Amino acid sequence: NAGVMQNPRHLVRRRGQEARLRCSPMKGHSHVYWYRQLPEEGLKFMVYLQKENIIDESGMPKERFSAEFPKEGPSILRIQQVVRGDSAAYFCASSPITGDTGELFFGEGSRLTVL
Amino acid sequence: DQQVKQNSPSLSVQEGRISILNCDYTNSMFDYFLWYKKYPAEGPTFLISISSIKDKNEDGRFTVFLNKSAKHLSLHIVPSQPGDSAVYFCAASAPSGGSYIPTFGRGTSLIVHP
Repeated sequence: NAGVMQNPRHLVRRRGQEARLRCSPMKGHSHVYWYRQLPEEGLKFMVYLQKENIIDESGMPKERFSAEFPKEGPSILRIQQVVRGDSAAYFCASSPITGDTGELFFGEGSRLTVL
Repeated sequence: DQQVKQNSPSLSVQEGRISILNCDYTNSMFDYFLWYKKYPAEGPTFLISISSIKDKNEDGRFTVFLNKSAKHLSLHIVPSQPGDSAVYFCAASAPSGGSYIPTFGRGTSLIVHP
């Protein structure tokens, strides 16, 4: 499967625990984007990364959330000390090196449930 | 503050008829517009797009119209098919530091009845 791969597809955490969501972009894509979809809402931009660089994190909550896209391996969205309000679907998307139109290729999402 | 608005949360259409999904935006810097389709438990998939230099783009049964002066775009699906039943997201992007990061609307759930 050459598409955007996200895992886990479903994750359950108790309040105060950490959640780690992983995303492998499509082959040949070096731009990764993370979006969050809260229940009954649209997709909200969180962060845009290239290899080893955070390009735009204007949509990231100021605390508890972090993202990385290392030289080797998948991009990771990390949520520390999760709260119930973090329950959402988290979508990763990628675009090719020359992506300049906003056309993104999305993964199937990781659904986080905080008990 | 929503920069991309889809004011109809849902739309119901009979098979074979036309579906019209609407989208309004507020940011005049947006110069590229996209529609994505999303089935339950799946990620959004790109459907069709339009550049601000055009007012219409057609791809098979799907046509997107852009009215820049009104800051409005619409997606027409004709004829509608039951398999078109999904949530449709309108998105808009503007260049920012050399990159385009789409801003999405809340989506419109389309149901096509057989």
